[in-house]
Amino acid sequence: DTAVSQTPKYLVTQMGNDKSIKCEQNLGHDTMYWYKQDSKKFLKIMFSYNNKELIINETVPNRFSPKSPDKAHLNLHINSLELGDSAVYFCASSQELLDTQYFGPGTRLTVL
Amino acid sequence: QKEVEQNSGPLSVPEGAIASLNCTYSDRGSQSFFWYRQYSGKSPELIMSIYSNGDKEDGRFTAQLNKASQYVSLLIRDSQPSDSATYLCAVRMDYGGATNKLIFGTGTLLAVQP
Repeated sequence: DTAVSQTPKYLVTQMGNDKSIKCEQNLGHDTMYWYKQDSKKFLKIMFSYNNKELIINETVPNRFSPKSPDKAHLNLHINSLELGDSAVYFCASSQELLDTQYFGPGTRLTVL
Repeated sequence: QKEVEQNSGPLSVPEGAIASLNCTYSDRGSQSFFWYRQYSGKSPELIMSIYSNGDKEDGRFTAQLNKASQYVSLLIRDSQPSDSATYLCAVRMDYGGATNKLIFGTGTLLAVQP
């Protein structure tokens, strides 16, 4: 039973394209997140949703748009991809806001 | 000053030794502290959380917190090659509700030599 799952695991695309990453959790948590981990392993929160409502929106280009259709799902859509968007994107969930994080397996995005 | 600082390593210890991983943070109002382990190519997983000053032990792992010195550490006793990974320190800075922040350090790479 996978607790937090993401698709796809790998994403290779050209600059300027639009892509989406999907995330689902079956832990019954109300809060979900998107993180970006760059090549230097620095892990940073991008967004947090609590029960479908956007709670945290860090300084992220508006080319990134999260969507939460229900509290078990959080998707990330990225428009006009740039080289600097290449990173590993992790979805996570937690019982309470910013408490213990349960991470998905990650999506490695490579922009060519 | 970075909000959460860790020595990037690598920290190399022989099998069976004690590995000591350190983390300092800038915000005195921080209340919650977490240690995550991340194997290469995998996602972070929680090792331990600590909220009060002092030591917290769980098996071979001990977290130590000193809020006055703004310092949190993780000790791994009887280190095993399977402990080789990057250890991420995370600090929750409480400003109230949605303004709270969870900041990760850049991690310390631990290498346990057989």
